[in-house]
Amino acid sequence: GESVGLHLPTLSVQEGDNSIINCAYSNSASDYFIWYKQESGKGPQFIIDIRSNMDKRQGQRVTVLLNKTVKHLSLQIAATQPGDSAVYFCAENGNYGQNFVFGPGTRLSVLP
Amino acid sequence: NAGVTQTPKFQVLKTGQSMTLQCAQDMNHEYMSWYRQDPGMGLRLIHYSVGAGITDQGEVPNGYNVSRSTTEDFPLRLLSAAPSQTSVYFCASSYTGGGFRSEQFFGPGTRLTVL
Repeated sequence: GESVGLHLPTLSVQEGDNSIINCAYSNSASDYFIWYKQESGKGPQFIIDIRSNMDKRQGQRVTVLLNKTVKHLSLQIAATQPGDSAVYFCAENGNYGQNFVFGPGTRLSVLP
Repeated sequence: NAGVTQTPKFQVLKTGQSMTLQCAQDMNHEYMSWYRQDPGMGLRLIHYSVGAGITDQGEVPNGYNVSRSTTEDFPLRLLSAAPSQTSVYFCASSYTGGGFRSEQFFGPGTRLTVL
């Protein structure tokens, strides 16, 4: 399973700067990945996904990069805004059908 | 559409009490799942269901039961609550058409405290 910790990694960025959040996944057989955003007191919200036959996918202000060689996923947020402050989780399709294995998350803090 | 709804939002139990966390979705999704989220950790899968009448265990199933009598509802039962079950519980659902994996839609969560 995923390694866990009591304290989330935190990334602090200035408003308007670009943010890069990284994630290492565990299963080399995983073929689908999702980034979720979770605001305080809410459930995770879908941001962007990528399948293993792609290296890069772009959405509105967000880009996901997949490096299957080193099992690494990253989320890039352009022109970070205060509303982007949240915990971000990467998720890989796991061993339980349609369900996913989640990473421990990274807290993004946007400074004014 | 309401999406995925969960009740209650908050619950406090004493050790040994039982309760059911409710989850419903109105998107006609076949897949439904229950996760728990502990401080500083990602979500861990408790139980899941691939359709009405079919359930299976996830990563951390002990102490929890589920049933799926309809497509819409997927309740999670705690038969004898323990302090280790203090957590935030999320229900999720997803579409499975076309054989492709797809995103999961999450409910707002139930915050459970067991004293």
